[in-house]
Amino acid sequence: GENVEQHPSTLSVQEGDSAVIKCTYSDSASNYFPWYKQELGKRPQLIIDIRSNVGEKKDQRIAVTLNKTAKHFSLHITETQPEDSAVYFCAASKTDKLIFGTGTRLQVFP
Amino acid sequence: EAGVAQSPRYKIIEKRQSVAFWCNPISGHATLYWYQQILGQGPKLLIQFQNNGVVDDSQLPKDRFSAERLKGVDSTLKIQPAKLEDSAVYLCASIVGRGGDTQYFGPGTRLTVL
Repeated sequence: GENVEQHPSTLSVQEGDSAVIKCTYSDSASNYFPWYKQELGKRPQLIIDIRSNVGEKKDQRIAVTLNKTAKHFSLHITETQPEDSAVYFCAASKTDKLIFGTGTRLQVFP
Repeated sequence: EAGVAQSPRYKIIEKRQSVAFWCNPISGHATLYWYQQILGQGPKLLIQFQNNGVVDDSQLPKDRFSAERLKGVDSTLKIQPAKLEDSAVYLCASIVGRGGDTQYFGPGTRLTVL
């Protein structure tokens, strides 16, 4: 079955710097890759997603890139702000079942 | 639109006791998921329903966990008897149909087994 690995497990950046989180997946048939943000004690919320027919997608300060050949995808956050501090999860899917990564705890220091 | 609703938000029980969680998905969402999220890990799928039928329950520990969605709307997840390792947040999510739709999560039920 699908396996998703996520790195790093923790990431600390200064406010205004960029943050990059990387995920790799094992099943080449996977075609949908969402990213969720989960603040402490709250539900995961979708922040951006990408499908396998595109290589990059951007939404304001957030972008996701996908390399299907290498089977990896990355989340890029530019101009980080303290409110970006949270745990971020990547996921991969080829049907309607999401397989999640282990999460990255991002801390943005003012 | 109203989001996915779950109750209770918190539950503390002794091991070997029983517990039940309730989920009401977004109106019109045919597919419903139950996830288990252990502290420090990503959500792990327990069971997936399409309307009132089970699509995937391969990761559900069936000796102690059960779930139903009798009328194809709200769902209950039960643990009987609970073990210490069941301590986790139980998340419910739903999507409109199938295949790459955005999954919307409920607030979760935090279960502590003592």
